[in-house]
Amino acid sequence: QVQLVESGGGVVQPGRSLRLSCAASGFTFSDYGMHWVRQAPGKGLEWVALIWYDGSNKYYADSVKGRFAISRDNSKDTLYLQMNSLRAEDTAVYYCAKDRGSTSPYFDLWGRGTLVTVSS
Amino acid sequence: DIVMTQSPDSLTVSLGERATINCKSSQSILYSSNNKNYLAWYQQKPGQPPKLLFYWASIRESGVPDRFSGSGSGADFTLTISSLQAEDVAVYYCQQYYSTPPTFGQGTKVEIK
Repeated sequence: QVQLVESGGGVVQPGRSLRLSCAASGFTFSDYGMHWVRQAPGKGLEWVALIWYDGSNKYYADSVKGRFAISRDNSKDTLYLQMNSLRAEDTAVYYCAKDRGSTSPYFDLWGRGTLVTVSS
Repeated sequence: DIVMTQSPDSLTVSLGERATINCKSSQSILYSSNNKNYLAWYQQKPGQPPKLLFYWASIRESGVPDRFSGSGSGADFTLTISSLQAEDVAVYYCQQYYSTPPTFGQGTKVEIK
């Protein structure tokens, strides 16, 4: 069925790194832009990063630019988020989300999320 | 960045009554070349990911009940639930996709009176 499944979250100390993965199924992964969106505990939604369908372009929120890197492997239908120099304020549920295409960049499919806790 | 502001922050409505959520963008998100408003609405129930309700401000996503409607243009938008049901208890978010970064409103929590 059509779904996104995130993994890789956990508890990590400030300054350390973590890599999240998002496995896609049920649709042609390589046709769509993919995003990471996060939600701090009890807070609203914050967009984190976007990668185009072919990986040719990447965009980041100012809050993570230079620390996080989005990538994808279309042969494995998998999206990644490499998170370096983690801070307490990066603590959140991280969702991967699919958009409906470059001309329709709203999020029509979301994973259930993976929790990242940055704490010493 | 475009700032999205929702009102109210929370809403308590009786079952069967109307619920109205407003969303205002800091600049127009109507793209003149195609006359489309680059606005989406999402519903997030407790412990669940967000779910797309509307795109292009007023196009209902497949499977969304028709008691939900989206309206507005330019910089002012509204999500209306015509007859609130128990399963509509959730936080609702508007989001603009007119420019990068895409930005969300702070959310409106809808509860039953």
